[in-house]
Amino acid sequence: KNQVEQSPQSLIILEGKNCTLQCNYTVSPFSNLRWYKQDTGRGPVSLTIMTFSENTKSNGRYTATLDADTKQSSLHITASQLSDSASYICVVPGHAGNMLTFGGGTRLMVKP
Amino acid sequence: DAGITQSPRHKVTETGTPVTLRCHQTENHRYMYWYRQDPGHGLRLIHYSYGVKDTDKGEVSDGYSVSRSKTEDFLLTLESATSSQTSVYFCALGTGGSYGYTFGSGTRLTVV
Repeated sequence: KNQVEQSPQSLIILEGKNCTLQCNYTVSPFSNLRWYKQDTGRGPVSLTIMTFSENTKSNGRYTATLDADTKQSSLHITASQLSDSASYICVVPGHAGNMLTFGGGTRLMVKP
Repeated sequence: DAGITQSPRHKVTETGTPVTLRCHQTENHRYMYWYRQDPGHGLRLIHYSYGVKDTDKGEVSDGYSVSRSKTEDFLLTLESATSSQTSVYFCALGTGGSYGYTFGSGTRLTVV
């Protein structure tokens, strides 16, 4: 069964600090991995999509890494801001490209 | 959210009553999806559509039906609502390939 596991489940950091969120997956065959940000009361919004051949991808203060050999990805947030407070969800498509497997998310709270 | 609207945003209904949630798009995407999001679970696929009158079940389809009579509208119906269907429901658009999912803002449904 395809699975996506995220850690930690929740995280509290001070504004301006960096943090790293983890995602482990057991989805095969692998085509790409996506990170989404979900603000409270809103739908998920795409942050980045990483294909098999990409190791690192940045989107502003967000940097995602992918190790396809160990089936791990991380999302690093630099110089956190209060607006980064949200849930971050790791998503991997299954064997049928439209069937997504979602991780449970990491709830990040940035405090002043 | 760009090109996708869910209605209603909130609904409270009684056990045993039928409920229909609507997802409307203005972008002419072929693929549309219904997910539910519950605490402790990642988003889970209920049903999806790959064209007008073409739909298929997801992993948690029991108790739900869908209809897509035109490209822009994808309806989710709970024939007889139960308390276990209390959840936040998200509609999403997809390109049909490996990229580009856009989520709606969600419908919070409470079954009492």
